[in-house]
Amino acid sequence: QVTLKESGPVLVKPTETLTLTCTVSGFSLSNTRMGVSWIRQPPGKALEWLAHILSSDAKFYSTSLKSRLSISKDTSNSQVVLTMTNMDPVDTATYFCARILDYTFDYWGQGSLVTVSS
Amino acid sequence: NFMLTQPHSVSESPGKTVIISCTRSSGSIATNYVQWYRQRPGRAPTTVIYEDNQRPFGVPDRFSGSIDSSSNSASLTISGLKTEDEADYYCQSYDNDNHAVFGGGTKLTVL
Repeated sequence: QVTLKESGPVLVKPTETLTLTCTVSGFSLSNTRMGVSWIRQPPGKALEWLAHILSSDAKFYSTSLKSRLSISKDTSNSQVVLTMTNMDPVDTATYFCARILDYTFDYWGQGSLVTVSS
Repeated sequence: NFMLTQPHSVSESPGKTVIISCTRSSGSIATNYVQWYRQRPGRAPTTVIYEDNQRPFGVPDRFSGSIDSSSNSASLTISGLKTEDEADYYCQSYDNDNHAVFGGGTKLTVL
């Protein structure tokens, strides 16, 4: 059974760095055709893709947020970590991690609501 | 980069058919596969169509996907509407740099 679970702080202050961890089970981060992506959704708004990392360790970032994002994986511990620097209240959102199979986000975590406020 | 534009909302009666469009702003819609996700309130999205027109296991054949190069758009068609189909629907594709792009989402009301 494939599962993904996000973990990280519920509240961060402006200018701080956010670190989120996605712990996966039911598949290996070294499987070809697979990767893990981070996607966020501000309250009441649309989904926004942030970054993904593939089994080859290739990394891809949203053009508009690239300077603030970093994604990495720990295959042995089945975890993918996203860091976002210089957090702002507009970054308040539910952050999802999702498995990529070929072109599809086929399994999603439940999401982690992060609020940015002083 | 390109944008995917969806209608903000659509509504239709139970038993009817609804079509949700997703128009690509630049580049050909046929260049990169389109996926469709359904998101119920407070839940994570789930896939209803992948690779333009493929249905995941467990998604009923009332759901179908297509692309139209003449309008440079993808469509999600839901026939025999049920109240349980009420949700937000998002299209998604990739650009040639392997960056994912989501549409703005369409709120489907079944009334």
